[in-house]
Amino acid sequence: NAGVMQNPRHLVRRRGQEARLRCSPMKGHSHVYWYRQLPEEGLKFMVYLQKENIIDESGMPKERFSAEFPKEGPSILRIQQVVRGDSAAYFCASSYLDPSTDTQYFGPGTRLTVL
Amino acid sequence: KQEVTQIPAALSVPEGENLVLNCSFTDSAIYNLQWFRQDPGKGLTSLLLIQSSQREQTSGRLNASLDKSSGRSTLYIAASQPGDSATYLCAVRAYAGNNRKLIWGLGTSLAVNP
Repeated sequence: NAGVMQNPRHLVRRRGQEARLRCSPMKGHSHVYWYRQLPEEGLKFMVYLQKENIIDESGMPKERFSAEFPKEGPSILRIQQVVRGDSAAYFCASSYLDPSTDTQYFGPGTRLTVL
Repeated sequence: KQEVTQIPAALSVPEGENLVLNCSFTDSAIYNLQWFRQDPGKGLTSLLLIQSSQREQTSGRLNASLDKSSGRSTLYIAASQPGDSATYLCAVRAYAGNNRKLIWGLGTSLAVNP
């Protein structure tokens, strides 16, 4: 069973461009989470999605950021008109809905650099 | 508002030592607590998950304890090895139900010297 996959691993964008980050959850997992780790800061929750639904987006910036998890295909975190402050490591995690445990399994992250 | 603090921020020990990493949280009404390991440039690996009703969990040389009333958790690493060098993160899930987000500490950066 392959782990959580994220691509690209490294992404460089110029200010004003769009960034698309992809996350393929572990097989059988229908819950996806996105976290952001800014330089010298801790991880911050961004959004929690189930297939075709956004469950909790309380950590998403109000503008320029969006996320989706379609019925088919990976989850996408989209950042429009990137700014230098968006430079960070973006981690995706997935979990299986199990009442006894809800360990989140993390991908290797996408490191976004905005020039 | 839940806040998670980890001390020390960094720790350097010789190989073979037993060590304790500390995590504290401000709101004791948590659902569960997890310890993760993060290697440079890589993702996070879940080490141990403690449900709010549990007092400790063990996996190999790792033992994590939870004291909800005092808002504390410790990660004990026995007989440390150079391969244990990494950043250790503590994360709290504050709520049940659909609020599944994790609230994170800043981590303890551990270096185990051969």
